[in-house]
Amino acid sequence: GAGVSQTPSNKVTEKGKYVELRCDPISGHTALYWYRQSLGQGPEFLIYFQGTGAADDSGLPNDRFFAVRPEGSVSTLKIQRTERGDSAVYLCASSPIGQGHNEQFFGPGTRLTVL
Amino acid sequence: AQKVTQAQTEISVVEKEDVTLDCVYETRDTTYYLFWYKQPPSGELVFLIRRNSFDEQNEISGRYSWNFQKSTSSFNFTITASQVVDSAVYFCALNQAGTALIFGKGTTLSVSS
Repeated sequence: GAGVSQTPSNKVTEKGKYVELRCDPISGHTALYWYRQSLGQGPEFLIYFQGTGAADDSGLPNDRFFAVRPEGSVSTLKIQRTERGDSAVYLCASSPIGQGHNEQFFGPGTRLTVL
Repeated sequence: AQKVTQAQTEISVVEKEDVTLDCVYETRDTTYYLFWYKQPPSGELVFLIRRNSFDEQNEISGRYSWNFQKSTSSFNFTITASQVVDSAVYFCALNQAGTALIFGKGTTLSVSS
């Protein structure tokens, strides 16, 4: 079946602009995670959804970052007033929580470059 | 606090050599899960294995094997008879059920022919 998909694959924007990054999880996966990976580092947690609600948003760096998952499937990560330090690969993962498994399956990521 | 340490930043081997990637973790939880992921040059993280804290049995899958030792808080990964296609960044990770993964910084493995 289809894996996790993310769009766009690359996004170049200017400092101060607003961006939206989209994640389509694996069908039927109730849990969805956003991570950010900087060059040479492991992924760092941003926010986790169980269904439609954010179960844990403790990883969001500040209030410029926001994410939604209105129907419990697709999620959008929104970044306002982008800064050069926001440049990274943003990864989405989904997981079939509640079925005895908690492996997280990752999408290909969106590479965000803020000029 | 939970933490994962991968002390080896980069490893270079020649094809057919065996290689072990080290992973040491810290957690106060009695129930937790450990993972290994592979990130090839294409960038997509590929799930390799999950172990829970109550199962210390070593596991072998083809050329891959994993050694989980709670006494030393380690979950090491060995590739036997390495191949060029094994070249990638390998991440060890830790979580509790349903929570976010805590990743190490990764070990870059380069296998030359």
